[in-house]
Amino acid sequence: DTAVSQTPKYLVTQMGNDKSIKCEQNLGHDTMYWYKQDSKKFLKIMFSYNNKELIINETVPNRFSPKSPDKAHLNLHINSLELGDSAVYFCASSRGQGSHPQHFGDGTRLSIL
Amino acid sequence: GNSVTQMEGPVTLSEEAFLTINCTYTATGYPSLFWYVQYPGEGLQLLLKATKADDKGSNKGFEATYRKETTSFHLEKGSVQVSDSAVYFCALTGVVNSGGSNYKLTFGKGTLLTVNP
Repeated sequence: DTAVSQTPKYLVTQMGNDKSIKCEQNLGHDTMYWYKQDSKKFLKIMFSYNNKELIINETVPNRFSPKSPDKAHLNLHINSLELGDSAVYFCASSRGQGSHPQHFGDGTRLSIL
Repeated sequence: GNSVTQMEGPVTLSEEAFLTINCTYTATGYPSLFWYVQYPGEGLQLLLKATKADDKGSNKGFEATYRKETTSFHLEKGSVQVSDSAVYFCALTGVVNSGGSNYKLTFGKGTLLTVNP
């Protein structure tokens, strides 16, 4: 069973479009995250939710809007896509914060044409 | 703020060579320290962790010791295999704001390891 699953795996779209990435975890975790990995492999947190509440919102353009309908799901909607949004987006979850390790999905590779 | 500095790659080794990837950190309080590994086309997987000073994390022949005095958490393996080829990330969790209760994971820039047969 896949613990953290993201869809789609690949997303190729035109500049200016709106797209969503879905994430689901079946680990019973309370906390979920979105990360962006750039072409040099650098990983940066974007958002974190704990029990469906937003707890971390880094300096991300407000074109990016996360939504957590329940503890097992955290979706990411992106409006008006720009060239600089091309990256791999990873969803992750953990049992809590602090020393609890995070479990990552396999990523969604977003390419903007 | 918190930060993690790890040695720049790429690192290329022959099979059975000794591996060290250096990692140092800056953090307030008492962070937990992690090494994650990313195989090609996959997400990150936890390799090992340590939650307090002098703790040694170990897994799959890899180990790292939490050294508070040198603020370091260097990754080592005595004999690497071709299957160890991946990107390795050092990371720490620390509070987002001083006195706060929310934590975030801060990553180093990653080190690409290639092991040749």
